[in-house]
Amino acid sequence: SQQGEEDPQALSIQEGENATMNCSYKTSINNLQWYRQNSGRGLVHLILIRSNEREKHSGRLRVTLDTSKKSSSLLITASRAADTASYFCATIQGNNRLAFGKGNQVVVIP
Amino acid sequence: NAGVTQTPKFQVLKTGQSMTLQCAQDMNHEYMSWYRQDPGMGLRLIHYSVGAGITDQGEVPNGYNVSRSTTEDFPLRLLSAAPSQTSVYFCASSYRDSNTGELFFGEGSRLTVL
Repeated sequence: SQQGEEDPQALSIQEGENATMNCSYKTSINNLQWYRQNSGRGLVHLILIRSNEREKHSGRLRVTLDTSKKSSSLLITASRAADTASYFCATIQGNNRLAFGKGNQVVVIP
Repeated sequence: NAGVTQTPKFQVLKTGQSMTLQCAQDMNHEYMSWYRQDPGMGLRLIHYSVGAGITDQGEVPNGYNVSRSTTEDFPLRLLSAAPSQTSVYFCASSYRDSNTGELFFGEGSRLTVL
């Protein structure tokens, strides 16, 4: 089965608002990663959080990890129109095999 | 550096035709992989390679072949295309250390099988 399932699937917000999306996974992990995909493009790595970390920041991104609940959240603060994209979480299965969730589509309305 | 380069970007095939999707990276990454992306399904791993001469199957390998004769190249072959293989294909690479595992993606190859 596929590891990583984001919730909610689609989110529409006004520019300047915060966007939060969640991801759950099924097995133990070394780390969890978030990627962004702009329409018609490849995925781009955003941030990685290790299993011994609970929170990590990178610019306007904040990622949390709760290994007891096997879940992670990605928060984008002060959203911009350029943040319109799909966001995927991913976990490593072994041998660098990354398993991706189904993705969250975020639309930021100017 | 070009990163991960995929060709072609678009391709239309008839059922039963064969073709090869090309993938090349110039970052000296040991690990390379192919994913397909379908609406509502996310990305699913087709095949991957941890180094030249080594390949292995992912989640959805049927109908696809791969080889890894050099560190730089990882072509994906469809021997007899089927409509179910209509998808967007992504090649990705990384350093082998799974503690980092950050994948670098190509821009994708959109394949339609009629």
